[in-house]
Amino acid sequence: DGGITQSPKYLFRKEGQNVTLSCEQNLNHDAMYWYRQDPGQGLRLIYYSQIVNDFQKGDIAEGYSVSREKKESFPLTVTSAQKNPTAFYLCASSASGTANTGELFFGEGSRLTVL
Amino acid sequence: QQQVKQSPQSLIVQKGGISIINCAYENTAFDYFPWYQQFPGKGPALLIAIRPDVSEKKEGRFTISFNKSAKQFSLHIMDSQPGDSATYFCAAITYNTDKLIFGTGTRLQVFP
Repeated sequence: DGGITQSPKYLFRKEGQNVTLSCEQNLNHDAMYWYRQDPGQGLRLIYYSQIVNDFQKGDIAEGYSVSREKKESFPLTVTSAQKNPTAFYLCASSASGTANTGELFFGEGSRLTVL
Repeated sequence: QQQVKQSPQSLIVQKGGISIINCAYENTAFDYFPWYQQFPGKGPALLIAIRPDVSEKKEGRFTISFNKSAKQFSLHIMDSQPGDSATYFCAAITYNTDKLIFGTGTRLQVFP
């Protein structure tokens, strides 16, 4: 089945710990994205990558880091520098460039709670 | 310039009624305007999309109306059903950026 797989679905961590969220896709998409969603708020872009070994900061990149070593994988690390990390994190992928019609394929999300 | 403004923030509609969600944008370079539907605890999914050279697109009970001169577009859900209860996001993209700009979302509740 083609799609985006995020893990874990739920994650609890103590304050001050780094956390890495996994995102894997088998859609052969060049572009991948991480969004953060807070209750009653929209989708805010954290980082995105248009090609392997390259990525750009989104609107709220502070306190987060990513890597894109493989086309299929785009892990997100929530570092201890992120002031308010409790949120619902969504990974997505899409075709890139002129093939990108705005259709993003989203994973099921990872809900991070920092205690 | 890069914002997409969406209203209302929440909407309550009786079953069988029409749900209308509005969005406005400033950047005339946007190439494509998709709408996403998100159920609680799930990721958003593409519902319907339109290009700026088309004034209306209909798919079943869902219609996008696009007004290029006013830089506005809207989603109409005809014969709204309780199963349509979800959060709806409008969005816009310029092809060469790969960066989708989302509206703030509208929480729709349809009561029987």
